[in-house]
Amino acid sequence: KNEVEQSPQNLTAQEGEFITINCSYSVGISALHWLQQHPGGGIVSLFMLSSGKKKHGRLIATINIQEKHSSLHITASHPRDSAVYICAAGTGNQFYFGTGTSLTVIP
Amino acid sequence: DSGVTQTPKHLITATGQRVTLRCSPRSGDLSVYWYQQSLDQGLQFLIQYYNGEERAKGNILERFSAQQFPDLHSELNLSSLELGDSALYFCASSVEGRTANTGELFFGEGSRLTVL
Repeated sequence: KNEVEQSPQNLTAQEGEFITINCSYSVGISALHWLQQHPGGGIVSLFMLSSGKKKHGRLIATINIQEKHSSLHITASHPRDSAVYICAAGTGNQFYFGTGTSLTVIP
Repeated sequence: DSGVTQTPKHLITATGQRVTLRCSPRSGDLSVYWYQQSLDQGLQFLIQYYNGEERAKGNILERFSAQQFPDLHSELNLSSLELGDSALYFCASSVEGRTANTGELFFGEGSRLTVL
């Protein structure tokens, strides 16, 4: 069993749709990160959360510490949102990555 | 541009060899992290340095070592290379680092290592 699990693995959406990617973790955490990796390989940090909710543009990230669950929402999705979204969580030496959610947004 | 610079971008070498990957963090960032992304294991945390000292150690093999220099750049040394070491190696930096992996992370573009 992976310490950090994401769902779905793959997601195809029409432009404009509301998208949710889920992340569940089984380890104790100091922080949870949502990362975006584009086809070229580069990684961009979208959010770092330790509690509550954060919003940046069309992206919203939430975390429920009691349920050990986080969600990444994309409102009004756009083809440029097509990427792999990776959840990562842990503390200290114990830091784990999910396997990623591959998102394709079709025009 | 994240402000984190990694060199080289691509590296091809043979089994048994040794390579050094270099990372320059964003100006002002004290923490440097190293991550490995391979096809079969995904992303893994290797090691973190904060202001020159090792702060956290993840799944780093004994054949691998890292250090952070007084100017805060870091090097990841990979020795006795095996085919399975072929991967993308990412460096990230953050301002914070007292608790590992809790600061906002800024990633370099990665160094792609191919071991033949």
